Amino acid sequence: DIQMTQSPSSLSASVGDRVTITCRASQSISSYLNWYQQKPGKAPKLLIYAASSFQSGVPSRFSGSGSGTDFTLTISSLQPEDFATYYCQQSYSNPYTFGQGTKLEIK
Amino acid sequence: QVQLVESGGGVVQPGRSLRLSCTASGFTFTSYGMHWVRQAPGKGLEWVAVIWYDGSNKYYADSVKGRFTISRDNSKNTLYLQMNSLRVEDTAVYYCARDPAGGSSSAGIDYWGQGTLVIVSS
Repeated sequence: DIQMTQSPSSLSASVGDRVTITCRASQSISSYLNWYQQKPGKAPKLLIYAASSFQSGVPSRFSGSGSGTDFTLTISSLQPEDFATYYCQQSYSNPYTFGQGTKLEIK
Repeated sequence: QVQLVESGGGVVQPGRSLRLSCTASGFTFTSYGMHWVRQAPGKGLEWVAVIWYDGSNKYYADSVKGRFTISRDNSKNTLYLQMNSLRVEDTAVYYCARDPAGGSSSAGIDYWGQGTLVIVSS
């Protein structure tokens, strides 16, 4: 199985900051990498698929990049509604494993 | 609008069985793959299973393989998860979710239900 490792596990930042979250795969997954946002008590929301493609309706301050084993999710200017937990997921091969999550908190 | 509504959760003893259902509406169910993803209390997301849009392929996480079975009834727009030999570690919120790429997840999982809680406890 492909293991997905996110870093950091938690992050404190302020409104307006630029934030980057990293996801590393245990083997090459080409660009088969998706990013989700989850707020407490809510279902996850798809932000980015295929490493860098925007899901409809997602603000342009979110962006994704990477290929192979290393990927990043960047939020260019944090807004109050962005404080949440973020997960990466590989869709290269079954089982479609998730990273352990990165909790983004207000500083 | 797309809606996914899970049901069937509850409290069950270890070793027993439970069947979850997910009723879909607002889209052409037969064109989409469907997943089950779970989240233990206070923990991260764990992918559980996927079924292709036409039911032709089914895949499972190692942690549930041989115990859980995913299925769908396209005539009823309903997804199922039959869970047998339940363990305490299966306790989680179970989400059903839609796959616009038919089951390959190459375009992510784009719509999720609100989840149903399964508690396995004696």
